[in-house]
Amino acid sequence: QAGLTQPPSVSRSLRQTATLTCTGNSNNVGNQGAAWLQQHQGQPPKLLSYRNNDRPSGISERLSASRSGNTASLTITGLQPEDEADYYCSAWDTSLSAWVFGGGTRLTVL
Amino acid sequence: QVQLVQSGAEVKKPGASVKVSCKASGYTFTSYYVHWVRQAPGQGLEWMGVMTPSGSTIYAQKFQGRVTMTRDTSTSTVYMDLSSLRSEDTAVYYCARDWSYWGQGALVTVSS
Repeated sequence: QAGLTQPPSVSRSLRQTATLTCTGNSNNVGNQGAAWLQQHQGQPPKLLSYRNNDRPSGISERLSASRSGNTASLTITGLQPEDEADYYCSAWDTSLSAWVFGGGTRLTVL
Repeated sequence: QVQLVQSGAEVKKPGASVKVSCKASGYTFTSYYVHWVRQAPGQGLEWMGVMTPSGSTIYAQKFQGRVTMTRDTSTSTVYMDLSSLRSEDTAVYYCARDWSYWGQGALVTVSS
């Protein structure tokens, strides 16, 4: 099944800003947006943002999600060492009647 | 608090089946979707299917005919049964309530 497209890796320096992207089509991201998940090595994923771009309780205000057309973005400001992780986007695809994931972006904080 | 506790690691031979359980607590079991997602070693997340609040199921096309998701409302447990296992099915299998709460994962190793 077709997935969402994410850059495999992004590197930024400590305290800088990183913007991660997730590109789909009008059947998935463009239709109902994308959720964002963070995964540290050896841990289950953690929800960072709902499809409507709201943050769950307890998620840092340094993180913000947005969408423009078929591309969703996750922006993390003031990068900290603990932000180093894999980030995944996910969306419901109305044509596939299935959830699809991006391949994930590994964020490295230098 | 919401918790999803999964069954333990399994080692299976090719061609066998595996059944992974996911016991929920801390919320009304029949009010939320429960997804199954797997992650092969060093790979990304792959959606397998979902149990809806009504008890119906939606499976990813890739797993149609090989996966069965069931639930026991008396014990608030969801099960994922995957048959005809092959080495490529070696992965950590997660259950997740919506995307907000996740189980700890269950490693399934398929090896002869």
